[in-house]
Amino acid sequence: DTAVSQTPKYLVTQMGNDKSIKCEQNLGHDTMYWYKQDSKKFLKIMFSYNNKELIINETVPNRFSPKSPDKAHLNLHINSLELGDSAVYFCASSHGRVSEQYFGPGTRLTVT
Amino acid sequence: KQEVTQIPAALSVPEGENLVLNCSFTDSAIYNLQWFRQDPGKGLTSLLLIQSSQREQTSGRLNASLDKSSGRSTLYIAASQPGDSATYLCAVFWDAGKSTFGDGTTLTVKP
Repeated sequence: DTAVSQTPKYLVTQMGNDKSIKCEQNLGHDTMYWYKQDSKKFLKIMFSYNNKELIINETVPNRFSPKSPDKAHLNLHINSLELGDSAVYFCASSHGRVSEQYFGPGTRLTVT
Repeated sequence: KQEVTQIPAALSVPEGENLVLNCSFTDSAIYNLQWFRQDPGKGLTSLLLIQSSQREQTSGRLNASLDKSSGRSTLYIAASQPGDSATYLCAVFWDAGKSTFGDGTTLTVKP
């Protein structure tokens, strides 16, 4: 009965590769988010989608491309991975844009 | 631009103490403020959400207050337990979906 799930939980890859992280929520929410938490534990929003439409893109390099096939899914595709992309990526969802957010367990990405 | 500061960065207390975590933000034009808990290597767990029109919210031993005009929120934890040990994050939500998180307060409750 997981509310917000992410796959994979861990991802180790080499520089230059392309990878995807998947997120699914079964809460019936219409808004989903991607956050990045760096090595200093600072959490920052990357993208926000409402009803499958992009509403926030916080100066993220265009190597990062979110895709929302439906309201329950928001996947993150990353091209040409760089060392600086190493971080924990969290997916979250909410009902509407300004209500309580529920977070997934995170995906730890390590780029070597 | 919204900035969020949490003080202290770390706190260590003996079991049973009441404690207060502080969060301050620079722009009072917010929609709501949310307190989260993060355990090492885990995701974020929502503790309390305070809407901009509210002054406080309570859940069990937790009480969060909000003073928008002064740009402050506090999280009060009563009768602390070792299981409360975690990092507590304050997040301010503004401009229809944007958010700014504080750096967190790492709490250690000693048995």
